[in-house]
Formats: sequence, C-alpha cells, structure tokens
Amino acid sequence: AQTVTQSQPEMSVQEAETVTLSCTYDTSESNYYLFWYKQPPSRQMILVIRQEAYKQQNATENRFSVNFQKAAKSFSLKISDSQLGDTAMYFCAQRGVSNFGNEKLTFGTGTRLTIIP
Amino acid sequence: EPEVTQTPSHQVTQMGQEVILRCVPISNHLYFYWYRQILGQKVEFLVSFYNNEISEKSEIFDDQFSVERPDGSNFTLKIRSTKLEDSAMYFCASRIDRAPNEKLFFGSGTQLSVL
Repeated sequence: AQTVTQSQPEMSVQEAETVTLSCTYDTSESNYYLFWYKQPPSRQMILVIRQEAYKQQNATENRFSVNFQKAAKSFSLKISDSQLGDTAMYFCAQRGVSNFGNEKLTFGTGTRLTIIP
Repeated sequence: EPEVTQTPSHQVTQMGQEVILRCVPISNHLYFYWYRQILGQKVEFLVSFYNNEISEKSEIFDDQFSVERPDGSNFTLKIRSTKLEDSAMYFCASRIDRAPNEKLFFGSGTQLSVL
C-alpha cells in the first residue's frame, strides 16, 4: 500500500521569501513517481513538479524545486521568491509504475500556503 | 495548453436521485480517470478507464458508481442513488498514454451537493 503524509496543514510566508513544504511517503514499489500539485481557490489541480524515483538529481521548474531523499522517503517542495499567486493548497502525490493498472495517484492531505504581501 | 472540460461546475441533487457528471478529456488522450475530494479532505482516486474498460477502481467505487465513454469524446461518471456522503468535488483527468512520466491533466471539477 502507498501512503503520503504532509505534516504541515498550514503555512504562511512573506512575499519574495523562500518556503519549503514537507512530504513523506511509503511504498513497496521499486520504482515510482512523486508529484506536487497546486490547487488554487478555483480548485483546479495543477501539476507543479514531478520526480522519478530512480533519478538522483532533484527536479527543478523555475522557482520550484524539490529535495528528494529516497532513503528517508522524503520529498519536499521549495518555492523560491514566493509570489502572491503561489497562494494555494499544495498536495504531494505518488504513483507506482511496476504493475499494469497501478495508475492511481495517492495524495497527501495537503498544505495550505498563504503568501503575505 | 489543452484542457479537460467538466460540466456542470456545480450540481445540486436530492438524496436518492441519479446524477451524471460529464467530462470531455483532451482529444488524443487514451486514459481517463475520476477522482473526488470531500471538502477539507485529500483527493481520492475513484476509477481509471482505458479501451472502454475499467482498468482499476478503488473501494469507494462501489455498485452505485459507473463510468462510460458513450460517444468517443465524453467520459461520464454516474451515481445511481446519491447519498449525503457523495457530496464532494469530482475531478476528471486524462493522459495520452500510460507511460509513467506522462503528465496527467485535471479538469476544474464538478462540485456535487446532495441534499
């Protein structure tokens, strides 16, 4: 079974500062993908960044980067130079790749991030 | 960027009534999904669908739920007899193939309120 845990229900940070959101996971899969999704007030789910477990290099997308620690099963998201538009709920998610049909995403409970002007 | 379209954005129904939630996935996508999010809770997988068959479903997806791709463009989720606990945001998603690194596109959701 796969589990994803986000231990920070809410966070806030001043605009232009850097913030790190935490995520830990558990899986029996040998290979898997990890994702961060953003859900703004419109409630649409938007992919922020993804990481393949077999890749040691941390993924980066502009101001967003991850710190992937495979042994510790940790997958944190760092947002640099935070902007007001980053205010949203952020979900960490995992998907296994070893079995046909193992296609579902398992989500964490989310972290509500507020950027303060 | 192409979009997954869901209609309606908000649906209100009486308990015990049937409801159909509609989705138009991105046109060249082959894999389709429904997820739901009860207010304040995590997003939960319901079902995946490929080649006109369910490929995986969760425990939530019981006999009250069904999915269909009736005309090659729409992808629907039917709840036969709605319960109060079915009130949630329902998200449709699609992707072009099942390559693990292939991006999953979500729609904006349908908020279902069961009274």
